[in-house]
Amino acid sequence: RKEVEQDPGPFNVPEGATVAFNCTYSNSASQSFFWYRQDCRKEPKLLMSVYSSGNEDGRFTAQLNRASQYISLLIRDSKLSDSATYLCVVELYNFNKFYFGSGTKLNVKP
Amino acid sequence: ETGVTQSPTHLIKTRGQQVTLRCSSQSGHNTVSWYQQALGQGPQFIFQYYREEENGRGNFPPRFSGLQFPNYSSELNVNALELDDSALYLCASSFTTGGPQDTGELFFGEGSRLTVL
Repeated sequence: RKEVEQDPGPFNVPEGATVAFNCTYSNSASQSFFWYRQDCRKEPKLLMSVYSSGNEDGRFTAQLNRASQYISLLIRDSKLSDSATYLCVVELYNFNKFYFGSGTKLNVKP
Repeated sequence: ETGVTQSPTHLIKTRGQQVTLRCSSQSGHNTVSWYQQALGQGPQFIFQYYREEENGRGNFPPRFSGLQFPNYSSELNVNALELDDSALYLCASSFTTGGPQDTGELFFGEGSRLTVL
């Protein structure tokens, strides 16, 4: 079983739409959680960390449910520039091992 | 842009050969980790180096090995190359203290794209 599972998509949405991505992780010892963004043929870059209380950064909202081992990312008012692959990342407790999901591809259309 | 540089950017090898990939970490960072990203997949953790020692390893065979140097740069070596080793190899640097102030942010290089024929 994979450490981190994501719906690969693609999610095809019009500009201005709200879109949500989900991710599940298998190891309850996971300590920290992140969303990374990867543009086509580029390296991944940190989008935001995910905290138990939930956190927001502009149009982006991340939620964590430790009981269900589930992480989500909500993007409001989608922009063309949001088109990318979104990677769910989990850090295993105290081992500094980061496990990436396969990514969810988002295409925002005009 | 991230200050992490990798070389070479592209290379082609044949089955059974050996390859060495190099990574210079961002200034001030003491930890380097390596990832393999196959087409359409997320990065898979290979191993991490901290203070010149391996500090965690993913599910990769021993023919994947590495080094970290006193200046925190790093090498990834792969022996006896197989066709399935064809992938983008990403190096990520970070600053680690082991304490709660670690942000967990990884800064990636642009990767080395390896093709094994």
